[in-house]
Amino acid sequence: SQTIHQWPATLVQPVGSPLSLECTVEGTSNPNLYWYRQAAGRGLQLLFYSVGIGQISSEVPQNLSASRPQDRQFILSSKKLLLSDSGFYLCAWSVLADKNIQYFGAGTRLSVL
Amino acid sequence: AQTVTQSQPEMSVQEAETVTLSCTYDTSENNYYLFWYKQPPSRQMILVIRQEAYKQQNATENRFSVNFQKAAKSFSLKISDSQLGDTAMYFCAFTFGANSKLTFGKGITLSVRP
Repeated sequence: SQTIHQWPATLVQPVGSPLSLECTVEGTSNPNLYWYRQAAGRGLQLLFYSVGIGQISSEVPQNLSASRPQDRQFILSSKKLLLSDSGFYLCAWSVLADKNIQYFGAGTRLSVL
Repeated sequence: AQTVTQSQPEMSVQEAETVTLSCTYDTSENNYYLFWYKQPPSRQMILVIRQEAYKQQNATENRFSVNFQKAAKSFSLKISDSQLGDTAMYFCAFTFGANSKLTFGKGITLSVRP
């Protein structure tokens, strides 16, 4: 069966520090991968998605970047965090064979202080 | 561009009763998918139900069913025999095409009262 791992679960970082959130998927090949951000009590905003290794599409211009160094690994990064980067970050995956259903990781709660 | 609208920010229902959550969407696509996701206090996003636009039959998953009205672009979720564990935020979402990017509504907070 397929599983998705996302870490860390919680992160507190000072303004100006770097960020690296990692997401890996097991049990499937060539998935589409996604990074979302959720502000407190609000809906999800798509940040990045990837249809293959090294292929990243950005949905929202911002202080963040994403990379996909391996087929089932998706990394969200920042060189210098801003206060506005605080939020709940969710990674998700999907495959066409499963009719576009997206499956989500447990999320990372990021607080930038 | 696709939009998903959930106009009710909060709802409350008595345990064992039935509740309906509303969702409307706007798209020019003809073939697409609609979803309801549940986000409990743990914040894990869990798929509740999926509807393919080309299917006229409404999807059902145990106590959860949808009323899909394609012409009206409406996609409501009915929860029967509500349970305390149904307390969560519920998000309506839309996708089409190969990359399956999801467009989410703002969500509705559902509280089930004992």
